[in-house]
Amino acid sequence: QVQLQESGPGLVKPSQTLSLTCNVSGGSINTDVYFWIWIRQHPGKGLEWIGYIYYGGSTYYNPSLRSRLTVSIDTSKNQFSLNLSSVTAADTAVYYCARVRVSDYGAYLDYWGQGTLVTVSS
Amino acid sequence: NFLLTQPHSVSESPGKTVTISCTRNSGSIASNYVQWYQQRPGSSPTTVIYEDNLRPSGVPDRFSGSIDSSSNSASLTISGLKTEDEADYYCQSFHINNFIFGGGTKLTVL
Repeated sequence: QVQLQESGPGLVKPSQTLSLTCNVSGGSINTDVYFWIWIRQHPGKGLEWIGYIYYGGSTYYNPSLRSRLTVSIDTSKNQFSLNLSSVTAADTAVYYCARVRVSDYGAYLDYWGQGTLVTVSS
Repeated sequence: NFLLTQPHSVSESPGKTVTISCTRNSGSIASNYVQWYQQRPGSSPTTVIYEDNLRPSGVPDRFSGSIDSSSNSASLTISGLKTEDEADYYCQSFHINNFIFGGGTKLTVL
């Protein structure tokens, strides 16, 4: 059973960089079958995709966040990471990592982490 | 990119059947698969339907998905409603490297 677990600071100061890591267990991240994605959910709101990465390092970012975003992967540690720079209170959200299964006509998230709340505040 | 529009909320009684719609505003609903996620309060989302109408193992057959080209929408139908089905439900599609989520529908089982 694949499991994903987010880790990182729960509190980040404005203008600093939000950094999270997702540890994947129960399966290898080093596979061409899946992508690995970050999703966030503002308090009481819907789901927003942030960015995703392929095991070879190819990345795809939400255009609204692209200028501040870096997603990376470490296949030796079976984990991938998120760095979001210059954060403001608007980046306060629950951040999820998930696995993406891709097919010819779509992609969906089949395993999710439990999520971690990140608050941006001084 | 296109938008996926869901009703903000729906409610129904236990044992009844409810349908949640997800309408695509441009392009054909059949062009890209639609998925449905269930998110119970305080929990992360889980997939209940993928690729329009497929159920992951462990999801009861009370959950079904469909698409309707005439209304350009996808639907999630839950029959034999249980109180445990009370949750937020999100539709999702994928197009040109972008994930598109519907705004979510709060299902109340009362």
